[in-house]
Amino acid sequence: NAGVTQTPKFRILKIGQSMTLQCAQDMNHNYMYWYRQDPGMGLKLIYYSVGAGITDKGEVPNGYNVSRSTTEDFPLRLELAAPSQTSVYFCASRQGGQETQYFGPGTRLLVL
Amino acid sequence: GENVEQHPSTLSVQEGDSAVIKCTYSDSASNYFPWYKQELGKRPQLIIDIRSNVGEKKDQRIAVTLNKTAKHFSLHITETQPEDSAVYFCAAFTGGGNKLTFGTGTQLKVEL
Repeated sequence: NAGVTQTPKFRILKIGQSMTLQCAQDMNHNYMYWYRQDPGMGLKLIYYSVGAGITDKGEVPNGYNVSRSTTEDFPLRLELAAPSQTSVYFCASRQGGQETQYFGPGTRLLVL
Repeated sequence: GENVEQHPSTLSVQEGDSAVIKCTYSDSASNYFPWYKQELGKRPQLIIDIRSNVGEKKDQRIAVTLNKTAKHFSLHITETQPEDSAVYFCAAFTGGGNKLTFGTGTQLKVEL
């Protein structure tokens, strides 16, 4: 049981480039979440999903897109990278009916 | 939506002393309150949680108390050790919203 996995661990992007951050879980969890954590700050919710085919915006969705075609995977897409998107991105998941969220190891993104 | 405030932002204690971190929340519908510990460069890890039908919960050296009327909850760490040094986040979960709202974090430093 790998839990929640994320790739890549670290990435440098140039302004205007695009990329997809990958997140996968093998716990058959219904709910999945994307957060960003700026230096010295708390976690802010970007997008979340309550099941395959269903996604919804969180607190800071601008500049990002998501899809959920399977229960296991929840990729986060950055279309036009901006310096303001420099952050650490965490994916998390939880089972329906239980509140506890389990976090992935994070992806550190630097936009220059 | 839910708003969670956390204090203090930094806390320095001597080894063996107690540490208390306090959080307030705004949404009376919130019913689950986890605490996460995050070491430098690592993912947030759940250390203890409490549900709204319970006033206090203890797990070895850590405890959490909840006052629903006042909408605040606190983390208590006794007999602090250097390995307790980390950033601690409180959060509040509203079932209807399917999401956690995090506090801004407390940097705890345990000095020898």
